[in-house]
Amino acid sequence: DAMVIQNPRYQVTQFGKPVTLSCSQTLNHNVMYWYQQKSSQAPKLLFHYYDKDFNNEADTPDNFQSRRPNTSFCFLDIRSPGLGDAAMYLCATSRRPGTETYNEQFFGPGTRLTVL
Amino acid sequence: AQTVTQSQPEMSVQEAETVTLSCTYDTSESDYYLFWYKQPPSRQMILVIRQEAYKQQNATENRFSVNFQKAAKSFSLKISDSQLGDAAMYFCAYRSINYGGATNKLIFGTGTLLAVQP
Repeated sequence: DAMVIQNPRYQVTQFGKPVTLSCSQTLNHNVMYWYQQKSSQAPKLLFHYYDKDFNNEADTPDNFQSRRPNTSFCFLDIRSPGLGDAAMYLCATSRRPGTETYNEQFFGPGTRLTVL
Repeated sequence: AQTVTQSQPEMSVQEAETVTLSCTYDTSESDYYLFWYKQPPSRQMILVIRQEAYKQQNATENRFSVNFQKAAKSFSLKISDSQLGDAAMYFCAYRSINYGGATNKLIFGTGTLLAVQP
């Protein structure tokens, strides 16, 4: 089945130690998103890629970076994780805007990041 | 800026009964999309139902239906004949019709955790 895959599902890192989260998709979608979801809070968009074009949300900290080497893969890099970065990180994909009415987003299962 | 509010952090329903989850939103736009997403424990978020604001008819998907009140900016989700598998976190989400064609940014509420009692 076509899907959005996130690895690892659980990631533990140390304060200040760089960490990379991975997302891959078999849907061949143009757009890939990274959301941060803290406990008891709404998912919050960090940034997205429209093909190779990177779009950062205005309030996303510089500590968060992303790479998309090809259509299928997208990475979230946290350069110096702080305790406040502990959260669930959700990857999502959608088709190119205008392809269909709703442009539904398809989500991966998320990676839960713990910062010690 | 648009906001989405879910005032019920937790809800509980008996199996086979009906439950309604509330959602209100704020926007100055006249046309937009609204969604309900379901996030089961340790599983990915999936779309439950969606509604276009210009459509007056309420959307329905099997046991799931919405009550869309545009003037009141209210978008509640009704789950009929609740099943154990309906237990999950439910998020209400808003999306503008057009963000300049570059994105389909979703604005989420804080979620309602639904428990289904056998």
